[in-house]
Amino acid sequence: EIVLTQSPGTLSLSPGERATLSCRASQSVSSDYLGWYQQKPGQAPRLLIYGASSRATGIPDRFSGSGSGTDFTLTISRLEPEDFAVYYCHQYGTSLPWTFGQGTKVEIK
Amino acid sequence: EVQLLESGGGLVQPGGSLRLSCAASGFTFSSYAMSWVRQAPGKGLEWVSGISGSGGHIYYADSVKGRFTISRDNSKNTLYLQMNSLRAEDTALYYCAKTFYYASSRSFDYWGQGTLVTVSS
Repeated sequence: EIVLTQSPGTLSLSPGERATLSCRASQSVSSDYLGWYQQKPGQAPRLLIYGASSRATGIPDRFSGSGSGTDFTLTISRLEPEDFAVYYCHQYGTSLPWTFGQGTKVEIK
Repeated sequence: EVQLLESGGGLVQPGGSLRLSCAASGFTFSSYAMSWVRQAPGKGLEWVSGISGSGGHIYYADSVKGRFTISRDNSKNTLYLQMNSLRAEDTALYYCAKTFYYASSRSFDYWGQGTLVTVSS
């Protein structure tokens, strides 16, 4: 099983600041299969990034993804009030099970 | 507009059974793999089971293998999850999710709002 470890667990930032979220895999993951999701309280997850670096439809360009192999990053260039949420990385690769990271909570400082 | 609407959750005793449904609309259902993903209260996301568009390929997490059965009826645009021998640790909000394909990439692009399963005596 590919374990995805996200860090930090909680990120306390102010609106306008830059957020950098990390996702480390226990073994190499093809970039094609690495995605990022945002989840707000009481809502379903929303796809932000697929293929490690491609923004999903309607996602603002302040969200960007990067990385390869075992290290992936989600960056929010300037936090807007609506960006405070929990973020999950996910691998949907060729080996089962498909797994999620434990999540990073971005909270208002 | 893509819509996924789950139903069938509820309170069940340990050892009991439930059948979840996910009614899909707004896309060609039979062309897309689907999955069930669950989220225990206050916890993260856990993939549970997936099925190909035709239903010919089925996958399970080890935690539910032998107890849960995923299926789909493409004539009714509906995904199912039959859950047997339920345990307290199966308590969660169960989401159905549609697979998104772009070139060689894939992710879950649409999710339902979830149906809550509570296993308790």
